[in-house]
Amino acid sequence: QSVLTQPPSVSAAPGQRVTISCSGSSSNIGNNYVSWYQQFPGTAPKLLIYDNNNRPSGIPDRFSGSKSGSSATLGITGLLTGDEADYYCGTWDYSLTAGVFGGGTKLTVL
Amino acid sequence: EVQLVESGGGLVQPGGSLRLSCAASGFTFSSNWMSWVRQVSGKGLEWVANIKEDGSEKYYVDSVKGRFTISRDNAKNSLHLQMNSLRAEDTAVYYCARSGYNSGGLDYWGQGTLVTVSS
Repeated sequence: QSVLTQPPSVSAAPGQRVTISCSGSSSNIGNNYVSWYQQFPGTAPKLLIYDNNNRPSGIPDRFSGSKSGSSATLGITGLLTGDEADYYCGTWDYSLTAGVFGGGTKLTVL
Repeated sequence: EVQLVESGGGLVQPGGSLRLSCAASGFTFSSNWMSWVRQVSGKGLEWVANIKEDGSEKYYVDSVKGRFTISRDNAKNSLHLQMNSLRAEDTAVYYCARSGYNSGGLDYWGQGTLVTVSS
């Protein structure tokens, strides 16, 4: 049972927009920055979004992040079949004094 | 180019020990927090531990407290995870990762090293 809650799966058609939610509490998302990661099978995760809504260099602006209260959202527009991957949110939890991740969301581009 | 290369994984019996290493290059190692993250095959990411730039602060997930020790050698640009009293549930791919931002976002990851705890 992950500290951060994500939907197990989401799906959408190529070219469409999808959002992935990440729900936490005041001890984590509510009082800290959120990061998002993309992971393809058999490879290491890759940072997509940091500090709630910032993209590292090289990440296309089709990817966006937002945060409201104790929840965060990853948005992906103009979906490509190559976006099919697992997506994870992550942050720090002040009560646990530990990093925490969501359980991950598998994106299917139909 | 930032590179993180893990080593030290392998097969170990329950109750045994293993020391993972992560060789860092391409950046000023002593300027970044570093973390270990693990992933059981087919499951999600689990944060394991992290360590401050100078090694003065260390944090662990509850399930490894008292068994795992994170350390770093800034002179050798290396990160380590000493794992003792290993259990079957510690079986996973272990990644080392760099915190590239003050907020803790992990911007570079190694390729991972597999630890298998089994008799």
